[in-house]
Amino acid sequence: AQKITQTQPGMFVQEKEAVTLDCTYDTSDPSYGLFWYKQPSSGEMIFLIYQGSYDQQNATEGRYSLNFQKARKSANLVISASQLGDSAMYFCAMGNTGGFKTIFGAGTRLFVKA
Amino acid sequence: NAGVTQTPKFQVLKTGQSMTLQCAQDMNHEYMSWYRQDPGMGLRLIHYSVGAGITDQGEVPNGYNVSRSTTEDFPLRLLSAAPSQTSVYFCASSQQGSAYNEQFFGPGTRLTVL
Repeated sequence: AQKITQTQPGMFVQEKEAVTLDCTYDTSDPSYGLFWYKQPSSGEMIFLIYQGSYDQQNATEGRYSLNFQKARKSANLVISASQLGDSAMYFCAMGNTGGFKTIFGAGTRLFVKA
Repeated sequence: NAGVTQTPKFQVLKTGQSMTLQCAQDMNHEYMSWYRQDPGMGLRLIHYSVGAGITDQGEVPNGYNVSRSTTEDFPLRLLSAAPSQTSVYFCASSQQGSAYNEQFFGPGTRLTVL
């Protein structure tokens, strides 16, 4: 069975510092996608970054990068230069091609301190 | 484009009542999914559709029905509401062949069953 594990219920980071949010996954499928979504206190789900299982390079999108270690089955999110607006819930997710069958981790709540 | 829209935003039901949560997208996406989010948890997949007339079950389908007669609409029906169905419901759509396979989420419907 597929599974996503986020072991950090809450994280604190100082503004302008970098932070890493941990995610491990388990699947027997050779083809899959890994996602990170942000959920602010307003409740909407915002796509941040995607990594395909066959992608050789780690994905980057602006201040977000995904540290993909396939052998360890980990897909950690790195946020560089944290901003106050980064305070939110962050979900790691794994899905199929097309993303319509996606499973989510329990989430990590990030607090950015001024 | 409005993206993914959901109605209603809030709903209170009594145990045993039925209702339909509406979801529509105007991006011509092939894939659509319904998730529920319980407090302190990630999203769990209820049902999904890969095109008009084609639906399938996700992780937690019991108590819910779906149909998809058009590409745009994907309603979720609760036949006999139970307190365990109190949750926030998200509809999402995604596109076949997109670079990132990301899902676009609606704003959610907060459902309370008394």
